[in-house]
Amino acid sequence: GQNIDQPTEMTATEGAIVQINCTYQTSGFNGLFWYQQHAGEAPTFLSYNVLDGLEEKGRFSSFLSRSKGYSYLLLKELQMKDSASYLCAVKLSGGYNKLIFGAGTRLAVHP
Amino acid sequence: DGGITQSPKYLFRKEGQNVTLSCEQNLNHDAMYWYRQDPGQGLRLIYYSQIVNDFQKGDIAEGYSVSREKKESFPLTVTSAQKNPTAFYLCATSGTGAIYEQYFGPGTRLTVT
Repeated sequence: GQNIDQPTEMTATEGAIVQINCTYQTSGFNGLFWYQQHAGEAPTFLSYNVLDGLEEKGRFSSFLSRSKGYSYLLLKELQMKDSASYLCAVKLSGGYNKLIFGAGTRLAVHP
Repeated sequence: DGGITQSPKYLFRKEGQNVTLSCEQNLNHDAMYWYRQDPGQGLRLIYYSQIVNDFQKGDIAEGYSVSREKKESFPLTVTSAQKNPTAFYLCATSGTGAIYEQYFGPGTRLTVT
């Protein structure tokens, strides 16, 4: 079966750094996506990793270790608007762009 | 503006009625997807289509049907056979061939009573 685990909830302080972890066990792997989703809205793409290592994009960075089935999303200089759910999704091997999503991590940023 | 539209934002129906959710895109993407999102669960794939006039069942297709008569449109019908239809429904699109991220529409929240 396919399994993706993320913490359910996290809290952090404005201006701080937070790391959201994602572990996966899937039959095949062809990349890992992170999406941000504000309550009641569409998920929006944040990052994509297919090779091991760190990808940095402004305040957001994402790390992947394929041998450990592990990824994290790092958010720096937290702002109140970063309060949202963060979804980890694995693209499976195969002919079409099938994604398996974790349940998401709800992040609350407080002053 | 390029994008994905889903309408309406909120939809209410009585149990036993079929209801069709619309999804329209002008991103010129070949692939389109329907997901269902429930509290505490990840997005689950209902149906997907990689090309016009072709579509495939996802992980939870029972009680749903789709059509893909035009590249721009991928409507989802929630039938009376779907046991728990109340959910947030998201439509997504992507390119095909390489690894493309999926772009999501704003979603339709369906409530069936």
